[in-house]
Amino acid sequence: QKEVEQNSGPLSVPEGAIASLNCTYSDRGSQSFFWYRQYSGKSPELIMSIYSNGDKEDGRFTAQLNKASQYVSLLIRDSQPSDSATYLCAVNKNTGNQFYFGTGTSLTVIP
Amino acid sequence: EPEVTQTPSHQVTQMGQEVILRCVPISNHLYFYWYRQILGQKVEFLVSFYNNEISEKSEIFDDQFSVERPDGSNFTLKIRSTKLEDSAMYFCASTQGAYGYTFGSGTRLTVV
Repeated sequence: QKEVEQNSGPLSVPEGAIASLNCTYSDRGSQSFFWYRQYSGKSPELIMSIYSNGDKEDGRFTAQLNKASQYVSLLIRDSQPSDSATYLCAVNKNTGNQFYFGTGTSLTVIP
Repeated sequence: EPEVTQTPSHQVTQMGQEVILRCVPISNHLYFYWYRQILGQKVEFLVSFYNNEISEKSEIFDDQFSVERPDGSNFTLKIRSTKLEDSAMYFCASTQGAYGYTFGSGTRLTVV
């Protein structure tokens, strides 16, 4: 069983729309959850972190966590062509331990 | 904004040769990591390093791999005898602790 699963996509949305990215994880003991954005050929860039159930908003990004369902999501409002990238979900069990990454969801925002 | 620096950005080596990948983590960070990403695949954990010792390592991190923090600022990954399947992007990362990593820009390793 994979630690972290994401729909690989590709996901296409028109400019200005809401993009919704989903992630599930297998270990109920997971404590910290992260979304990274990765442009082709570049390193992952942290965009959101969430640690408790509920929603967390930062600008156009909202992360949602439901520990009972073992589910994390990322909403991108008013999507821009510059948001076109692969979005990686990462899960951590304890401080200092490794992050488990999903395979990523490829997002294309169409102008 | 502080960043994690990796050198070289691209390394080409012959199979069987040793390579050393270098990283300078963010200065006040405590935990250091190496990950790799084979083209088109997911980011895979190799090793974590804390308090001058390895705290966790994956099955990938076998006897051919080693890490060092020789001088309190650099953090290196050595591959003793490279194989074709070691070709990948290698990312160094660091964190203060309970926060997300900051990744370096990566070293693209090509084994020929």
